[in-house]
Formats: sequence, structure tokens, C-alpha cells
Amino acid sequence: EVQVVESGGGLVQPGGSLRLSCAASGFIFNSHWMAWVRQAPGKGLEWVANINRDGSEKDYMNSVKGRFTISRDNAKNSLSLYMNSLRAEDSAVYYCARRFSSSFDYWGQGALVTVSS
Amino acid sequence: QSALTQPPSASGSPGQSVTISCTGTSSDVGDYNHVSWYQQHPGKAPKLMIYEVTKRPSGVPDRFSGSKSGNTASLTVSGLQADDEADYYCSSYAGSALIGVFGGGTKVTVL
Repeated sequence: EVQVVESGGGLVQPGGSLRLSCAASGFIFNSHWMAWVRQAPGKGLEWVANINRDGSEKDYMNSVKGRFTISRDNAKNSLSLYMNSLRAEDSAVYYCARRFSSSFDYWGQGALVTVSS
Repeated sequence: QSALTQPPSASGSPGQSVTISCTGTSSDVGDYNHVSWYQQHPGKAPKLMIYEVTKRPSGVPDRFSGSKSGNTASLTVSGLQADDEADYYCSSYAGSALIGVFGGGTKVTVL
């Protein structure tokens, strides 16, 4: 069974940093692009970042470029999102998702990130 | 990376059909056959319903269908059932980057 499970969410002060992790299982991890998608409370979805199969290509939405870094460890079947200089508007549930073509076919349950003083 | 435009709400009675539109530009929806649709129930993760405009993943009922004309994509849900009541989001590649955009979401109510 395909599973992706996020961890690492929590409360952080504005300007602070946080690392989200995603543990993948049930599929050949290094055969798939992976991504992070977020959803602010009561709001819609935002496509945050992509990473290709070997980690050599990374893409970000404009508002997080230079602040967030996506990475993967294929030996450990894990995906990470390093978030720096966090702002209140980054508060959201962050989903780890498996890419399938241009879509996301498997999603985690989400990790809540709250940026507040 | 501007969000795609969806109507905030749509509704239909059980057994009827409802169609949701997703309007973008010639740089996203109009330029790629890479439109996807997701269903999200409250407190749950989104679920992929349609990919590459018209394709259904395994397990998705054929009551769900997708189409596209110009810069507007559409999702039609036929034979509405109570469990179809949810938020629906479209997405598309946008521009030359491999990052896409989502629509703002449409809340479907089964009357």
C-alpha cells in the first residue's frame, strides 16, 4: 500500500525556521517526482515545490523562492522541506504528495505549520 | 503563477449532473493538456479524480468526467450522490516552470 506520512509541523515565530519530513513507503520512491502542497486554514491549495527523481531539479512557487528548500534522500525513502524566514502567511497544512504526470496521486494526512508570535 | 478561476459554489439534486468550470489563460490551461481535478472532503487530504484533462485514475467512478475548450477546463459529475458533496479543485501547469497552479476551489452541495 502506498503511503506518505508527514512530520515536523508545529508553532514557530515569524522569521524562524522549521523542517518538514515525509516518509514514503509502498512504492519505488526514486521512480517518482515528489512535491509539497499547502493549504492555509479555510483556503485553497497552493503548489509549493517539486523535486525530480534524483533531486537534481527543484522548482518553487514564487513566494517561497530563496526561503524554502526541498530535498530528498532516496536511500531512506524520505522527502524534506526546509523552511526559513517564515511569515504569518506561510501558516498552513503542508501536504507531501507523490507526483504522477502533472498531478498528485497520493497525499499524506498533512502537517500543520503555524507561524505566530 | 496566478490562481485559476473557479466558481465558489455549485449544487444539484441527487441523480442530477453538475459541471464546474476552471478558467485560466493561454499560458496555463490553454497551453497544456495537463489539467487535473481533486476532491476534498472536510478535514481530509485531496483525492485525485481526473488527470491530463480527461483521464480517470483507477477506482474513480465514470460518473466523473473532464473536458477542456480553449482556456477553460470543466469537471462534470453525473448521477450526483450524497458523498459527492465536497470541495473540488482544478490545477494546471503554468508557464515554462514545472510548478503549476490551483484554482480557488468550488464547493459542491448535493441538495
